[in-house]
Amino acid sequence: QKEVEQNSGPLSVPEGAIASLNCTYSDRGSQSFFWYRQYSGKSPELIMFIYSNGDKEDGRFTAQLNKASQYVSLLIRDSQPSDSATYLCGVEISGGYNKLIFGAGTRLAVHP
Amino acid sequence: DAGITQSPRYKITETGRQVTLMCHQTWSHSYMFWYRQDLGHGLRLIYYSAAADITDKGEVPDGYVVSRSKTENFPLTLESATRSQTSVYFCASSGGLAGGPDSYEQYFGPGTRLTVT
Repeated sequence: QKEVEQNSGPLSVPEGAIASLNCTYSDRGSQSFFWYRQYSGKSPELIMFIYSNGDKEDGRFTAQLNKASQYVSLLIRDSQPSDSATYLCGVEISGGYNKLIFGAGTRLAVHP
Repeated sequence: DAGITQSPRYKITETGRQVTLMCHQTWSHSYMFWYRQDLGHGLRLIYYSAAADITDKGEVPDGYVVSRSKTENFPLTLESATRSQTSVYFCASSGGLAGGPDSYEQYFGPGTRLTVT
């Protein structure tokens, strides 16, 4: 059974700090990885995707991928209270059909 | 308006009733998906579709039926609703045509909150 694991949290960080969110996956054939942010009562929205080993930066967000270790992470620099949300890790299921499998999400709380 | 929409946004129904949740997208995306989201479980795939008239089961398909006669629509039907189907349902779509890794990006609708009493 293909799985995606995330710490459920809550991960509590002070405003201005770096928040580090982690995700591990079991399918070695997975090639594409996605981070979604979900505010309470809202639908998931894509923050970043990554498919090459290493780091990918977009503003305050950095995604990191290590396929050998089957590990993907999301760093949020200069965390703001508006970053408080649940972050979902989505992993492509190898074999086609554009299917993703999601972790249960990590709840992030940024306190002033 | 462009995008992906779901209707109704909220629904209360009784056990045993048939319920249909609607999903409509305007991007002509090939792939469409239905998820349910429950506390502690994240998003679980119910059914997906690669194109019109092509559908297949996901992780939790029991008690659900889908159809896709047109590319833009992907309705989900609960044939005989049960209390365990109380959940938030999200529809999503993705492009797939370009074939690049970003074609896997899924866009989500606003969700339908379903309560079965």
